[in-house]
Amino acid sequence: DADVTQTPRNRITKTGKRIMLECSQTKGHDRMYWYRQDPGLGLRLIYYSFDVKDINKGEISDGYSVSRQAQAKFSLSLESAIPNQTALYFCATGRRTVSQETQYFGPGTRLLVL
Amino acid sequence: GENVEQHPSTLSVQEGDSAVIKCTYSDSASNYFPWYKQELGKRPQLIIDIRSNVGEKKDQRIAVTLNKTAKHFSLHITETQPEDSAVYFCAASIPGNTGKLIFGQGTTLQVKP
Repeated sequence: DADVTQTPRNRITKTGKRIMLECSQTKGHDRMYWYRQDPGLGLRLIYYSFDVKDINKGEISDGYSVSRQAQAKFSLSLESAIPNQTALYFCATGRRTVSQETQYFGPGTRLLVL
Repeated sequence: GENVEQHPSTLSVQEGDSAVIKCTYSDSASNYFPWYKQELGKRPQLIIDIRSNVGEKKDQRIAVTLNKTAKHFSLHITETQPEDSAVYFCAASIPGNTGKLIFGQGTTLQVKP
C-alpha cells in the first residue's frame, strides 16, 4: 500500500556505522512493527509499538533500537551495524480492534552491511 | 511460545494445476490466520485470512481451510496461473489480543507455463 512508506529503499553501510531506517504511514493505524526478512526464515519481529508511549521488544531485538516519534512515524536504528544484520527490513502497521490482527506492510528497505 | 511451521519450502506446478501450502501452529488459543503473498522485490500483501470460528473461506481461486483440532491450516490455489508465482507466508496470531503475528518460513511457488 502506498499508505506505508519506508526510507531509504536501499542502503549500503560499513561495520560499526550507525544507521536509521524510517517508516511513515497515513493509514491512521495505532500499531506499528519492524520485521526483518531472511531467506528461509520468514519474517521475524524486531520491535513493535501500540502507541507513542508503548514500545516493546520482539523476538530478535538485540542490536536494534526504535523510536516512535508520532503515531505515524516509527524508526529503527542499528547503533553499530554488523554484517549479519544484512537483510530486508519491513515496517508494518495495524489497527487495534477486538479481533483484528491484520498487518499492512511497507515496501521494504534492503540493507547491506559490509 | 507460539510457533508456526510451513511446508513445503518450494513448490513447482504446471499452469492450471492446483497448489496446496500447509501450516501448523502450536498455541491452540491462536484465533486469526492470515496468508500473505510476496512477489519478487515487492512487499508482502494480504490475500486471504480466516478466523478460528470459521472452517473454510474462499475468494475466487484461493481458499483457506482451518482444522483447529489438529492445529493446522492450508492455502489452496486452483487453476494456477504464472502470476501466482511468488513467496507465500502463513501466520498465526499470538493469543491475548497482543496484536502480534508469528510467521511461517515461507513457500516459494513457481507456476510453469
